[in-house]
Amino acid sequence: DAEITQSPRHKITETGRQVTLACHQTWNHNNMFWYRQDLGHGLRLIHYSYGVQDTNKGEVSDGYSVSRSNTEDLPLTLESAASSQTSVYFCASSEAGSDGYTFGSGTRLTVV
Amino acid sequence: GDSVTQMEGPVTLSEEAFLTINCTYTATGYPSLFWYVQYPGEGLQLLLKATKADDKGSNKGFEATYRKETTSFHLEKGSVQVSDSAVYFCALSDPYAGGTSYGKLTFGQGTILTVHP
Repeated sequence: DAEITQSPRHKITETGRQVTLACHQTWNHNNMFWYRQDLGHGLRLIHYSYGVQDTNKGEVSDGYSVSRSNTEDLPLTLESAASSQTSVYFCASSEAGSDGYTFGSGTRLTVV
Repeated sequence: GDSVTQMEGPVTLSEEAFLTINCTYTATGYPSLFWYVQYPGEGLQLLLKATKADDKGSNKGFEATYRKETTSFHLEKGSVQVSDSAVYFCALSDPYAGGTSYGKLTFGQGTILTVHP
């Protein structure tokens, strides 16, 4: 069965370190998204991609980067982790032209 | 830009009570509207959706009607159960938001629902 997986599920890192969160989907979806979830803010879009080599900034992109070298993966990198980036991160994917979205199970990141 | 506003929470109800969670939106085009549910410790699941004005989405006893005139998509359930305890998110996807797809999802802030026996 097709799926979207995130890894790791939990991560603790120190301030200033570079961290990469993985997102892998086997739906063959063109569109992929990264969100962060914080109490009182819902889910806010960090970065998104409409296809290979395409990346776009969302509303809270500062301090984050993504790259899309193939259809299946959209890794999210925190260049220099900050305590304000402690959050739960969700990856999602969708087919171009569709309003159906599939979400991963999330990564809980703690920056100490 | 597009935005979604949900009623302030959390909401606490007794089992079999009636549930309403208000959701209003602003969008430049004609968005699709969604309710997602997140059970404790899990990711988001689509609960229901509506793609055009006056459409009613329904699933698991939950309903929501796309009201273009009031830009609203309120979630209702006639009789809640303890198992409905979760966080509920209203969201929209605007096909005119850019790109060649339906674009990105914009979420409300979420409403925590707790149902007591």
